[in-house]
Amino acid sequence: KNEVEQSPQNLTAQEGEFITINCSYSVGISALHWLQQHPGGGIVSLFMLSSGKKKHGRLIATINIQEKHSSLHITASHPRDSAVYICAARGIGYQGAQKLVFGQGTRLTINP
Amino acid sequence: NAGVMQNPRHLVRRRGQEARLRCSPMKGHSHVYWYRQLPEEGLKFMVYLQKENIIDESGMPKERFSAEFPKEGPSILRIQQVVRGDSAAYFCASSPPTGVGEQYFGPGTRLTVT
Repeated sequence: KNEVEQSPQNLTAQEGEFITINCSYSVGISALHWLQQHPGGGIVSLFMLSSGKKKHGRLIATINIQEKHSSLHITASHPRDSAVYICAARGIGYQGAQKLVFGQGTRLTINP
Repeated sequence: NAGVMQNPRHLVRRRGQEARLRCSPMKGHSHVYWYRQLPEEGLKFMVYLQKENIIDESGMPKERFSAEFPKEGPSILRIQQVVRGDSAAYFCASSPPTGVGEQYFGPGTRLTVT
């Protein structure tokens, strides 16, 4: 079992739909990152959070430390949101806190 | 403020050759991380460096791979005697001196071994 699990692996939706991507982790973490990887391959950091909730535009990320679970939500989805979304757990301790452990990614396709 | 820069963006090597991948961190960043993304697989941590020091190389294959981050100049990931299984996208990321903030990713180097 991977230390970081994402679901679903693939998600196809219609423009305008509310999107939820889930991430569960089995290790202690100091922070959780959500990343976006576009078809061209570049990686953009969306959020880094260690508690509660963060919002940026139509994107919302939440984390429940007790349940070891995080979600990424996209409101009013648009075809340009089509990408692979990756969650990554940052460990604890001097070395662990520097290392990201990645989920397998969720491939999101938004159809017009 | 320029972002993380990687070059080359694409690199083709024949089996047995050496591959050198370069990463220039964001200005003011002194921590560099290298990650590998094999085809159809997720990202995997390789190595974490600070200036002139390797802090954690637990994700790096024991043979043929090495990394450095000299006092001056970019970080270098070096792969000797490449094999087809080394074909992958190699990303570096950098973070500021606190070391626990956001990591900013470069565009990646796509290595193809023929």
